Amino acid sequence: QQQVKQSPQSLIVQKGGISIINCAYENTAFDYFPWYQQFPGKGPALLIAIRPDVSEKKEGRFTISFNKSAKQFSLHIMDSQPGDSATYFCAGFNTGGFKTIFGAGTRLFVKA
Amino acid sequence: NAGVTQTPKFQVLKTGQSMTLQCAQDMNHEYMSWYRQDPGMGLRLIHYSVGAGITDQGEVPNGYNVSRSTTEDFPLRLLSAAPSQTSVYFCASSYSGLIEKHEQYFGPGTRLTVT
Repeated sequence: QQQVKQSPQSLIVQKGGISIINCAYENTAFDYFPWYQQFPGKGPALLIAIRPDVSEKKEGRFTISFNKSAKQFSLHIMDSQPGDSATYFCAGFNTGGFKTIFGAGTRLFVKA
Repeated sequence: NAGVTQTPKFQVLKTGQSMTLQCAQDMNHEYMSWYRQDPGMGLRLIHYSVGAGITDQGEVPNGYNVSRSTTEDFPLRLLSAAPSQTSVYFCASSYSGLIEKHEQYFGPGTRLTVT
């Protein structure tokens, strides 16, 4: 049972374009939704996160859009750069259960 | 601060062997966890701990044991290695308090191959 479904598996975007990664969750007990970025050979690192009482959060070129009724959220990377090429994971966290459940990941490649 | 450290970086085991993956953090974090990363499967939670002496199972705990005798250390033990445990293992730590501070800091990973 995959509690967090992520798509697409891989994504190729031209430099300067918009990268969009989508996630859907099943567990309504999740109360925190982080996105992690992972470069090859490294551990993941927190990129941006949102709580379900907020519909959008923006940090620089990265924006999370959140739709609580549809149980969906997405990451938008504006003006995508080759340095953004990495694997991105969405996740849901349940404060009461102390568990973070990750999506399967999206490999992003930004062409120069 | 060294952050989260993991040893070894690489390990090859034969089926049936046991071993312990080490994880340590120097940030005084209460929460620590172990994940395995497999292609197309994302990061799956194996075990986690919310403080010294307290551990619990994650999504895929079978074949693994953990203990948390100190705040700093959270070793993962493979009891009898199987080829299905070939994976990259990540340890992570975070504050378990305010939700806005629940950023998990990941170690560099251990790549394990079981033949």
